[in-house]
Amino acid sequence: EAQVTQNPRYLITVTGKKLTVTCSQNMNHEYMSWYRQDPGLGLRQIYYSMNVEVTDKGDVPEGYKVSRKEKRNFPLILESPSPNQTSLYFCASSSGRAFYEQYFGPGTRLTVT
Amino acid sequence: GNSVTQMEGPVTLSEEAFLTINCTYTATGYPSLFWYVQYPGEGLQLLLKATKADDKGSNKGFEATYRKETTSFHLEKGSVQVSDSAVYFCALSDPGGAGTALIFGKGTTLSVSS
Repeated sequence: EAQVTQNPRYLITVTGKKLTVTCSQNMNHEYMSWYRQDPGLGLRQIYYSMNVEVTDKGDVPEGYKVSRKEKRNFPLILESPSPNQTSLYFCASSSGRAFYEQYFGPGTRLTVT
Repeated sequence: GNSVTQMEGPVTLSEEAFLTINCTYTATGYPSLFWYVQYPGEGLQLLLKATKADDKGSNKGFEATYRKETTSFHLEKGSVQVSDSAVYFCALSDPGGAGTALIFGKGTTLSVSS
């Protein structure tokens, strides 16, 4: 089954404790992206990757890091989380042929206290 | 810059009612337009798309027509069901932007009661 998986689905952590949210897709997609969803703000892109070892900032990259060492994986790293990073996070992927038709993971709800 | 504006919700309807969710956009060039749907507890799914002016996208009884003259892409369904309750996002492609592949509206929550 074609899918994008994220782990964990729910996470409660404290300010400053480094964390990683994993994202994996099994569709051999070139493009992967991270979004955060906040009430009243819709979805905003954090980082994206056009292919292995190619990443770039989206609209709200501050406080986040990403890496793309393998085509299927695109982890999101919060080196020092802060309460304003409490949000619902989505990973998405798409192929080069259907660039804008993105497949989304189920989401990770992060709470930073 | 490019942007998408959706009607604010929530939209509350009875089963079998007619649905319209308005979406207008601002864009340079010729973007593609999309509607994504997010069911409770899930990620977004592509519902339908249109890639050029006057194209009509359709899926699962939903339709939307790409109107360049009014810069609109309104979502419609003739008879909604309880299972249509979800958040609906209008989006446009942004090939000239700083890498942001899709620009999303803020979402419109639809609640359908039986």
